[in-house]
Amino acid sequence: DAEITQSPRHKITETGRQVTLACHQTWNHNNMFWYRQDLGHGLRLIHYSYGVHDTNKGEVSDGYSVSRSNTEDLPLTLESAASSQTSVYFCASSRTLGLAGSEDTQYFGPGTRLTVL
Amino acid sequence: ELKVEQNPLFLSMQEGKNYTIYCNYSTTSDRLYWYRQDPGKSLESLFVLLSNGAVKQEGRLMASLDTKARLSTLHITAAVHDLSATYFCAVDNNNDMRFGAGTRLTVKP
Repeated sequence: DAEITQSPRHKITETGRQVTLACHQTWNHNNMFWYRQDLGHGLRLIHYSYGVHDTNKGEVSDGYSVSRSNTEDLPLTLESAASSQTSVYFCASSRTLGLAGSEDTQYFGPGTRLTVL
Repeated sequence: ELKVEQNPLFLSMQEGKNYTIYCNYSTTSDRLYWYRQDPGKSLESLFVLLSNGAVKQEGRLMASLDTKARLSTLHITAAVHDLSATYFCAVDNNNDMRFGAGTRLTVKP
């Protein structure tokens, strides 16, 4: 069955370290998204990609980067982790989100809980 | 800037009762989503609403969209314990998805 996976599921790191969170989907979806979820804020969009070699900044992109070298993967990198980046991170994918009349929705991964000490 | 506001943020209801969750958003958009999240779990898509007047129903949940009022509602009919979860609405602003803060619903016997 097609799915979307994230790794690691839990990560503890120290301030200033570089961290990369993996996201892999087997639906062959063009669109992929990274969100962070914090209490009281719902989900906030970090970066998104419409396809290979395409990346776009979301609402809270400072301190994060992504690259898309293939359809299946969109890794999220924290260049220098900060305590403010302690959060739960969700990856999502969709086929044609945004096209007029499309009822496509986003499919979310299981999440990665990141703690920055 | 697109803002999405849900209310209430917390909702405790008794089984068998009806209630409505509201989702207001600040700019024009004709695409609205509802998701459910169980504690410690990921998000599950419930409804996609694409046009003014759209109404969708699944079991005890019914969602509607009024694009002129910039308002979506999620109506719960005869609540049961299994509906206890956090419900999020999200608005698509040219692929910049904005989520509400979520409504934590607890259904008590």
